[in-house]
Amino acid sequence: KNEVEQSPQNLTAQEGEFITINCSYSVGISALHWLQQHPGGGIVSLFMLSSGKKKHGRLIATINIQEKHSSLHITASHPRDSAVYICAVIVEGSGGGADGLTFGKGTHLIIQP
Amino acid sequence: DTAVSQTPKYLVTQMGNDKSIKCEQNLGHDTMYWYKQDSKKFLKIMFSYNNKELIINETVPNRFSPKSPDKAHLNLHINSLELGDSAVYFCASSQVYEPRDRVWDGEETQYFGPGTRLLVL
Repeated sequence: KNEVEQSPQNLTAQEGEFITINCSYSVGISALHWLQQHPGGGIVSLFMLSSGKKKHGRLIATINIQEKHSSLHITASHPRDSAVYICAVIVEGSGGGADGLTFGKGTHLIIQP
Repeated sequence: DTAVSQTPKYLVTQMGNDKSIKCEQNLGHDTMYWYKQDSKKFLKIMFSYNNKELIINETVPNRFSPKSPDKAHLNLHINSLELGDSAVYFCASSQVYEPRDRVWDGEETQYFGPGTRLLVL
């Protein structure tokens, strides 16, 4: 079983809908990373957070360390938000090095016009 | 100007060959990374490196070795290529490397290169 689980695996929604993507993990972490991979393959780092909530434009990320859960929300979704969203956790004590970064399998989001 | 660049973009080669992928960042970052994305699009970190420490993911075969001629470059060398090495390899960089004994401050963003698509025949 992967230490990082994302849900849903696939999500298709209509333009304008409020989108929620979930990430649950089973290890102690010091921070969590949300990434976006575009259809062309390029990867963009969206958020890195260790507590609470962060907002950037129409994107909001929240984390609950006690519940070992994070959500990524997209408000007023748009077809250009169509991408794969990947959650990654930085294992506690690892400092974010290659021995401590574990990825979820991604959520494939399609926003239809 | 491209922040993190990789060359080549595509690489097709025969099994058993030795190949290198180059990565350069012009952001002045202290830390660079190599990731592998397999055919199922699953990302895995391979290496993280700054001028103080190289950390290797324990699952990475020793046929893979990073080499950093200077702070702005982290090249990936692969010896005796195997079919299973076919994947997309991404380089990334970030500003600060967090030592193990400190709590991650959650503020550092990684900047990714465009990826190198490696196909081993």
